Amino acid sequence: DAGVTQSPTHLIKTRGQHVTLRCSPISGHKSVSWYQQVLGQGPQFIFQYYEKEERGRGNFPDRFSARQFPNYSSELNVNALLLGDSALYLCASNGGGSNSPLHFGNGTRLTVT
Amino acid sequence: AQSVTQPDIHITVSEGASLELRCNYSYGATPYLFWYVQSPGQGLQLLLKYFSGDTLVQGIKGFEAEFKRSQSSFNLRKPSVHWSDAAEYFCAVVTYNQGGKLIFGQGTELSVKP
Repeated sequence: DAGVTQSPTHLIKTRGQHVTLRCSPISGHKSVSWYQQVLGQGPQFIFQYYEKEERGRGNFPDRFSARQFPNYSSELNVNALLLGDSALYLCASNGGGSNSPLHFGNGTRLTVT
Repeated sequence: AQSVTQPDIHITVSEGASLELRCNYSYGATPYLFWYVQSPGQGLQLLLKYFSGDTLVQGIKGFEAEFKRSQSSFNLRKPSVHWSDAAEYFCAVVTYNQGGKLIFGQGTELSVKP
């Protein structure tokens, strides 16, 4: 079975631009979460979606938004990019419960210049 | 607020030696605890998890971890390290009813000497 897939793998953007990152969860998983991992740090929670509803939001500005589609895939959008948004963006999926471990994709490496 | 601390930023061990990576958590109730491993440029792979029951849990690749409530710790161990174990290791906790909101430690980078 395919794992969590993310696209694109790498992306270079300029300050002020916007970006859309995409994620397809493991088949049967209805929950998708997004994390930002800055170099040298642990991942930080951005969003969780379950059955197309936002279940949780981390401490990120409104420039960050996300949505989940009927097929449970998800998009993360970031507007007005800043240099500090450069990071590895990880998507994870699970069944939705606290005792359902997250399965992570390989991430999208975003570089903002 | 929940938090996870990994006191060691970088550890170097010789191949074949034993390994222990430390993790301390701060959480009011019984936590759900995880260890993940990340190779360079890759996502995170789940090594093992603790939800309840036996406080010694076995994971993949020969890893184990022990939950000690009195010490608020969940240390990862391996009796004999292989060169392929070199990677970044993250401890994480999840709060009840927030299944997607993992709180991660800052990670421990493991180097393995031949």
